[in-house]
Amino acid sequence: SQQGEEDPQALSIQEGENATMNCSYKTSINNLQWYRQNSGRGLVHLILIRSNEREKHSGRLRVTLDTSKKSSSLLITASRAADTASYFCATDARTGANSKLTFGKGITLSVRP
Amino acid sequence: SAVISQKPSRDICQRGTSLTIQCQVDSQVTMMFWYRQQPGQSLTLIATANQGSEATYESGFVIDKFPISRPNLTFSTLTVSNMSPEDSSIYLCSGGKGVGTADTQYFGPGTRLTVL
Repeated sequence: SQQGEEDPQALSIQEGENATMNCSYKTSINNLQWYRQNSGRGLVHLILIRSNEREKHSGRLRVTLDTSKKSSSLLITASRAADTASYFCATDARTGANSKLTFGKGITLSVRP
Repeated sequence: SAVISQKPSRDICQRGTSLTIQCQVDSQVTMMFWYRQQPGQSLTLIATANQGSEATYESGFVIDKFPISRPNLTFSTLTVSNMSPEDSSIYLCSGGKGVGTADTQYFGPGTRLTVL
């Protein structure tokens, strides 16, 4: 089953507005990551937040992590048409000696020019 | 960071045939992974490619169907064997430099496979 579940599934906003995407997960994690995928392309890593961190910034991105609620949010400020993409959260769901990321279903963000 | 290339970028194959996808990383990574992404869906991990030994497969994926090799730290192949239309997907290779944790992963551009 999916570890991370994003919401909303789809989001449409006007250029210049902020976009907020949420991710919930089920088990304890070492870190949570957000990735972007442009249509038909590979994934690009955006930001990683560790379980002992609560907030992290990178340019126009702001990520929060609430381990008590098992949730994270990704905020993109001052959105641009180029931000149009699918966004995935991924959790480090380590089992024993094996480390792997488990991806959520993704959020489709459309930014209207 | 790491730059990952895959080839082929896309292919159209006939049912019952096999396709081998190659993944090359420009720098050494500790971990390499193969994912499948069906149309409009999320990524599903197929296996972790281990250098010089058998890959570690996830539930629902078996070596006979998806044999994987990783002869060195920067190269891996995934073969999709005895293909059926249900195998039509994007196959993605990724690499990570983390040790013991799933740190940042760098993804290839993917191989878009269509099986007729």
